[in-house]
Amino acid sequence: GQNIDQPTEMTATEGAIVQINCTYQTSGFNGLFWYQQHAGEAPTFLSYNVLDGLEEKGRFSSFLSRSKGYSYLLLKELQMKDSASYLCAVMDSNYQLIWGAGTKLIIKP
Amino acid sequence: ETGVTQTPRHLVMGMTNKKSLKCEQHLGHNAMYWYKQSAKKPLELMFVYSLEERVENNSVPSRFSPECPNSSHLFLHLHTLQPEDSALYLCASSQSLDRGEQYFGPGTRLTVT
Repeated sequence: GQNIDQPTEMTATEGAIVQINCTYQTSGFNGLFWYQQHAGEAPTFLSYNVLDGLEEKGRFSSFLSRSKGYSYLLLKELQMKDSASYLCAVMDSNYQLIWGAGTKLIIKP
Repeated sequence: ETGVTQTPRHLVMGMTNKKSLKCEQHLGHNAMYWYKQSAKKPLELMFVYSLEERVENNSVPSRFSPECPNSSHLFLHLHTLQPEDSALYLCASSQSLDRGEQYFGPGTRLTVT
């Protein structure tokens, strides 16, 4: 079966760095995506990786290792507004997104 | 209006009611999706449309019936729902089926009593 695993909840301090991990097992791979979802709001696209390595976008970076079925989202200089759920999703061989259950990130002052 | 819009934002319905959810995208995208989001569960893909043709139906009960009259509009018709169908229903669109960057509407919070 297809499976995406990510921690249920993480806590970090304002101004610090946090890494959210995601491991996956899917039938085929056409890219890995990270989305942010604030409570009561829609998910919004953050990043996309299809090749191994690190993609940096401002305070957020995303890393992919296809051989290990592993990705992480790195958030630097954390701000209170970064408190949200972070969803990992993989596009399988049928071009369907398979979603993880999300990691709820709590930022403390 | 820009992006993806959904109406209504909140809906309470009895198990014998019939209602419809509406989604409209203003992005010129060719693919549209219905998802169900329940607490602490992964997003569940319900239906996928590409250029107004249904391309995916992930074993969704027949009490959910989608309709895509054109590439900008998507409906989800609901009838004789069960309490376990209470969830957030999200509509999304993407430029094409092979693009994983999806744009979501704000969702309809559905409660079945």
